[in-house]
Amino acid sequence: EDQVTQSPEALRLQEGESSSLNCSYTVSGLRGLFWYRQDPGKGPEFLFTLYSAGEEKEKERLKATLTKKESFLHITAPKPEDSATYLCAVQARADSWGKLQFGAGTQVVVTP
Amino acid sequence: SAVISQKPSRDICQRGTSLTIQCQVDSQVTMMFWYRQQPGQSLTLIATANQGSEATYESGFVIDKFPISRPNLTFSTLTVSNMSPEDSSIYLCSVYMSSGNTIYFGEGSWLTVV
Repeated sequence: EDQVTQSPEALRLQEGESSSLNCSYTVSGLRGLFWYRQDPGKGPEFLFTLYSAGEEKEKERLKATLTKKESFLHITAPKPEDSATYLCAVQARADSWGKLQFGAGTQVVVTP
Repeated sequence: SAVISQKPSRDICQRGTSLTIQCQVDSQVTMMFWYRQQPGQSLTLIATANQGSEATYESGFVIDKFPISRPNLTFSTLTVSNMSPEDSSIYLCSVYMSSGNTIYFGEGSWLTVV
């Protein structure tokens, strides 16, 4: 069965203190791995899709990387506005294109 | 990208009633989906809304409880029937955009059943 595990569950950072979030996955044929940001009371905001091991994508202070078993979301010199829950999801080859299996998320709080 | 509008954004519902959530997309999309996010939990796919045919439901979700309509390529509705407090969740509409293999989500409809 496909599984997505995110760690840590919660992360508290000082402004400027870089860190990484982990997403471990087991899936029978990965089509894509997605990262989203979700603010309280809002829908998930798309960040990245990664497809193959070794791939990296960047957006402002965020950088996502992918290996055969996990993905990392690096937050460089975070600011308070980076506070959110970050969700990882896998898109399996056996499933329809729109079906994503999500991890539980990592709640990030960045303090000034 | 796609702009997805959901109505209502929030509602408080009485036990035993039904509520229909609307999802409007600003462009024609082939695939539309409905997800549920229970309090403190992550997202789970309810069903794929198929245009012109019955929705395809995931394991654990049934048409009698969550009837779905998809009359055209920009609009879908999800009804939560005979609600109980366990149905208190955020319900999210999503669309798949083949250009870029991207899946976008609406802002969600936050239902509280009392």
